[in-house]
Amino acid sequence: DVVMTQSPLSLPVTLGQPASISCRSSQSLVYSDGNSYLTWFQERPGQSPRRLIYKVSTRDSGVPDRFSGSGSGTDFTLKISGVEAEDVGVYYCMQVRHWPWTFGQGTKVEIK
Amino acid sequence: EVQLLESGGDLVQPGGSLRLSCGGSGITLSNSDMSWVRQAPGKRLEWVSYIQGGGTSTYYADSVKGRFSISRDASKNTLYLQMNSLRAEDTAVYFCVQGHFSTWGQGTQVTVSS
Repeated sequence: DVVMTQSPLSLPVTLGQPASISCRSSQSLVYSDGNSYLTWFQERPGQSPRRLIYKVSTRDSGVPDRFSGSGSGTDFTLKISGVEAEDVGVYYCMQVRHWPWTFGQGTKVEIK
Repeated sequence: EVQLLESGGDLVQPGGSLRLSCGGSGITLSNSDMSWVRQAPGKRLEWVSYIQGGGTSTYYADSVKGRFSISRDASKNTLYLQMNSLRAEDTAVYFCVQGHFSTWGQGTQVTVSS
């Protein structure tokens, strides 16, 4: 199975400051179409997960542009340009390139 | 707006069975790729099963293969997860998810305990 490793697992951030989460896969996520199938989710306290970004860098409708995704192959990053209070929660990366699909451990973002 | 609503979660004894249902509004489930994802207390999200839209291809996590079965009833616009031979480690909130995870239900709690 493809192992997804996120870092850090806990990320205290000052409001308005940037935040960055790393996600590494044990195998390349590049498909024959040239796309890397890496997805990011946000899970706010008490809510169901919400997809933020898919295929590495495509933001979902309604997702603020302070969220951005980048990377290729096996190394990926989610960046928040300026953290807001509503961004508190756990962020997961997930690969949908290889069966079985697998998630990272999650990164908990909190306000300092 | 697409909405998904799971039901069927319960407390069940080890070795028992349970069937989860997921009803959809604003979506024809039989035409959509659908998945089940679970989250055990304090654990990461875990993909459980997938069924291809418009087809019959299904996939399962190794942890549930041979025990769980995903299916749908087009006439009822409902997705199912039949869970047999349940174990304590199957205790989790189970989410019904559309497509490539664009829409999630609110989840239903399954607890396996004697």
